[in-house]
Amino acid sequence: SQELEQSPQSLIVQEGKNLTINCTSSKTLYGLYWYKQKYGEGLIFLMMLQKGGEEKSHEKITAKLDEKKQQSSLHITASQPSHAGIYLCGAISGGSNYKLTFGKGTLLTVNP
Amino acid sequence: DAGVTQSPTHLIKTRGQQVTLRCSPISGHKSVSWYQQVLGQGPQFIFQYYEKEERGRGNFPDRFSARQFPNYSSELNVNALLLGDSALYLCASSLTGVEPQHFGDGTRLSIL
Repeated sequence: SQELEQSPQSLIVQEGKNLTINCTSSKTLYGLYWYKQKYGEGLIFLMMLQKGGEEKSHEKITAKLDEKKQQSSLHITASQPSHAGIYLCGAISGGSNYKLTFGKGTLLTVNP
Repeated sequence: DAGVTQSPTHLIKTRGQQVTLRCSPISGHKSVSWYQQVLGQGPQFIFQYYEKEERGRGNFPDRFSARQFPNYSSELNVNALLLGDSALYLCASSLTGVEPQHFGDGTRLSIL
């Protein structure tokens, strides 16, 4: 079965700093989703990447997909306290186009 | 428009009991998926329903069952509750199940 490893597990940054979160898959990536979760709440959809080399941005968050490395990165520029939360990557399993497998998440703390 | 709504928000049960969790998808969405999220882990896929039919099932025992109603709402049932069933249960909906899924805030189930 597909496994997603996220790094780092947790991250503490000062407001205004840039940061990167990585997600590496054990198998071929057919689609990669990034979600954000506030503690104990539901997941908020951020971005979906489907093609190798694809890069998408939303406000100060940019995500890239490296198909060859089976890896995706999420980059936040000039972090703000509102960026704090748990970032989860999810991937579509090769045998189905509806089942999402998630990583364990990266806990981001942004200190003012 | 209302997002995905789940009820109840919190639930406390004892071992051996049975529980039913409810989910109303976003209007127009015909697919509902259920995920279990244990503390410190990413969500794990339990079921997906599309047009009232089970499309897929994750690696969960038969104690877990679900159904989807004609109005596309869904219920997740768990029988013979175990301590390990304590988790946040998330419901997600999308148009057909293959688009980015929109999550509810979840039901936090505690087993004593």
